[in-house]
Amino acid sequence: AQKITQTQPGMFVQEKEAVTLDCTYDTSDPSYGLFWYKQPSSGEMIFLIYQGSYDQQNATEGRYSLNFQKARKSANLVISASQLGDSAMYFCAMSSAAGNKLTFGGGTRVLVKP
Amino acid sequence: DVKVTQSSRYLVKRTGEKVFLECVQDMDHENMFWYRQDPGLGLRLIYFSYDVKMKEKGDIPEGYSVSREKKERFSLILESASTNQTSMYLCASSFQGGASDTQYFGPGTRLTVL
Repeated sequence: AQKITQTQPGMFVQEKEAVTLDCTYDTSDPSYGLFWYKQPSSGEMIFLIYQGSYDQQNATEGRYSLNFQKARKSANLVISASQLGDSAMYFCAMSSAAGNKLTFGGGTRVLVKP
Repeated sequence: DVKVTQSSRYLVKRTGEKVFLECVQDMDHENMFWYRQDPGLGLRLIYFSYDVKMKEKGDIPEGYSVSREKKERFSLILESASTNQTSMYLCASSFQGGASDTQYFGPGTRLTVL
């Protein structure tokens, strides 16, 4: 069975600073994907970034980067130059090779302070 | 851009009522999913469908059924709503499965059962 753990229930970050959101995972599948989603107070889940288990380089998408450490089974999200609009819940998720199911962590709430 | 829409943002129903939640995607995706989201529990998969008229149970299918008569539409049905089904319901779609397949979410429906 797959499992995703996000140990930080909530955190504050100062505007324009970087923030790292922790995510560890557990799986016996050799092929899997790791995703991060943002959920603002409006409720919609917004896809941010994807990392494949066989990708050699860490994924980046604009201000988002994924620090993938396969041996440690961690997939931390780094948000650089935080903006007020980054205040939201952030979810780490994992897919299996079959790809028909995402397993989600419990989420981390981020509040950006001006 | 992928667009996933859900029929209602907010819904209030009475115990015992039959409830229909509708989801429509406009990107010709093969897969569609229904999740429920509860505080502290993250997102949990109720049902998914990988083709028209095909469905598979997720982690928490009890008390729910689904229907997919057309490729773009996936309905979640609560045959007899109960108060423990008060939750946020999120629909998602993805292209065709596989570990790298990104799921795109709708805005969610907040269902309250009185």
